[in-house]
Amino acid sequence: ETGVTQTPRHLVMGMTNKKSLKCEQHLGHNAMYWYKQSAKKPLELMFVYNFKEQTENNSVPSRFSPECPNSSHLFLHLHTLQPEDSALYLCASSLTSGSTDTQYFGPGTRLTVL
Amino acid sequence: GENVEQHPSTLSVQEGDSAVIKCTYSDSASNYFPWYKQELGKRPQLIIDIRSNVGEKKDQRIAVTLNKTAKHFSLHITETQPEDSAVYFCAASRANFGNEKLTFGTGTRLTIIP
Repeated sequence: ETGVTQTPRHLVMGMTNKKSLKCEQHLGHNAMYWYKQSAKKPLELMFVYNFKEQTENNSVPSRFSPECPNSSHLFLHLHTLQPEDSALYLCASSLTSGSTDTQYFGPGTRLTVL
Repeated sequence: GENVEQHPSTLSVQEGDSAVIKCTYSDSASNYFPWYKQELGKRPQLIIDIRSNVGEKKDQRIAVTLNKTAKHFSLHITETQPEDSAVYFCAASRANFGNEKLTFGTGTRLTIIP
């Protein structure tokens, strides 16, 4: 359960705030992901990084800005969010970005935008 | 792109009975189908997966079946126990096709009634 960690676990922010979500993996993986999980919706892939390079941006609005300084750390920078951005944001990692490599998820950050 | 539909959205079964969750996919080139389990307040975890070269795979009380012609696959849980209560997500991908990514279903909330 400590392989992929996320901070903070809960975040409340106003629409004009700037905040960042952090993800760290201790599994020696090379691929990292950000997902958005909203009620009654599928897990929505946002971004994929493979060996620190972004390989997928799933039409995510520019108010979400990812950063991957190394294979172990992934950030999601947030600014001027909207209330509909309130959701659980999950980070995941896998050995490579191949879809058959098991993805290990973090506990998520519950984000509320007021 | 791929579209994965999952049914039912909620399912309640008596402890000891069987549960079946079904998913359909749209992309006939999809060849990898994992299932993730997310217990309340916890992170999703892979429980079983199947590739398109087999029709069925079992792991103790859980099994997954795949019908490539009909483009649907199902999760079967036998002798259900209270710890099986969770949300289950199916997913599909084109493994080894390049730019592969998992497309998730909307999830099924399974409740085991003691």
